[in-house]
Amino acid sequence: GAGVSQSPSNKVTEKGKDVELRCDPISGHTALYWYRQSLGQGLEFLIYFQGNSAPDKSGLPSDRFSAERTGGSVSTLTIQRTQQEDSAVYLCASSGGSGGANVLTFGAGSRLTVL
Amino acid sequence: GENVEQHPSTLSVQEGDSAVIKCTYSDSASNYFPWYKQELGKRPQLIIDIRSNVGEKKDQRIAVTLNKTAKHFSLHITETQPEDSAVYFCAARNTGRRALTFGSGTRLQVQP
Repeated sequence: GAGVSQSPSNKVTEKGKDVELRCDPISGHTALYWYRQSLGQGLEFLIYFQGNSAPDKSGLPSDRFSAERTGGSVSTLTIQRTQQEDSAVYLCASSGGSGGANVLTFGAGSRLTVL
Repeated sequence: GENVEQHPSTLSVQEGDSAVIKCTYSDSASNYFPWYKQELGKRPQLIIDIRSNVGEKKDQRIAVTLNKTAKHFSLHITETQPEDSAVYFCAARNTGRRALTFGSGTRLQVQP
């Protein structure tokens, strides 16, 4: 596609529920990243996928968080048993192709609110 | 792992003045240092980057300097304009890790 697409754009859920956030990267980009941005805060790294290599999961804050990337394209970030502190904007980015391996193109984000 | 510290957290300047944002990093193996700009309600976008074999890079009104010995790098914006108002993030990455580590961001407000 023309850009990185994320869905849903907004998600309100109750504490304890599971949520899934989806990211569709730019076609041809081999690298995909998930970051979390809490209100007024910086970009916290969560997980990174590169081609067929094992993902770098070092940023996942707890075992309630997991992510997968199917067929080297679409990625899903799953948060189980959501807590109020999970409320944030979850940003996906991809890189590679003609844009170069270094330049991250971000999606618009999924705003998660846990009540 | 890498730790990137950024300051100031907020910066207000008059239109036409210069703005400087500074970052320090902890991992001496880091070799790539980009800056991203995030306008209100929008996604972050790359504005300039520098590699460790270069001390300074300039693109029109913005420039970035890198001091590898001191492990710090800075963003300089000259002749600021209201449209420069945004949150700016510095980041660092080392050769062994693809994911960028971001600073906490600087909210720049340019007063007309």
